[in-house]
Amino acid sequence: AQTVTQSQPEMSVQEAETVTLSCTYDTSESDYYLFWYKQPPSRQMILVIRQEAYKQQNATENRFSVNFQKAAKSFSLKISDSQLGDAAMYFCAYKEGAYGGATNKLIFGTGTLLAVQP
Amino acid sequence: NAGVMQNPRHLVRRRGQEARLRCSPMKGHSHVYWYRQLPEEGLKFMVYLQKENIIDESGMPKERFSAEFPKEGPSILRIQQVVRGDSAAYFCASSPPGGPSYNEQFFGPGTRLTVL
Repeated sequence: AQTVTQSQPEMSVQEAETVTLSCTYDTSESDYYLFWYKQPPSRQMILVIRQEAYKQQNATENRFSVNFQKAAKSFSLKISDSQLGDAAMYFCAYKEGAYGGATNKLIFGTGTLLAVQP
Repeated sequence: NAGVMQNPRHLVRRRGQEARLRCSPMKGHSHVYWYRQLPEEGLKFMVYLQKENIIDESGMPKERFSAEFPKEGPSILRIQQVVRGDSAAYFCASSPPGGPSYNEQFFGPGTRLTVL
């Protein structure tokens, strides 16, 4: 069964600095998708960034980028120029590829609570 | 384009009562997913539905829980005879049947269920 592990329960970063959140996963599939979701105190789940496993290029979205290491099954999130609004719980998630009868369910890690210090 | 809507946002039930949680997916989305988030934990998949069909219910407890997504109207997650352990946030997500966003799931604001 696929699993997602986030080994950092809490992280802290100074405003304007850079922070990296770690995520590892376990799967025997070759086609899958990885996501980072943000959950602020409002509890709304917000998609931050996605990565297709077949793409070698790391995804980027403005100040957010990932370091996807497929062989190591690692998918870390880098937040540059951290802002106070980045403070939230961050969840890493895995989904099998869309074809071949795979389920569409997301498998989440346990989350990393990010604090941003002014 | 309205996002995924869930109601109620907060629901309080006494032990033994029934809880009904509703989810209206985004316009054009025909796939609905339910997840449960227990306090201080990540989200856990419960069930995946398409219109009038349950596709994957591998995360649903065997008893007291059921879900439907009728041809017309919202998806319903129903919990019968609630117990204190059912207290959690229940999230609904939806995705389109195809296109570039097929592999993304868009989440609603959640329903926080409290069982007294």
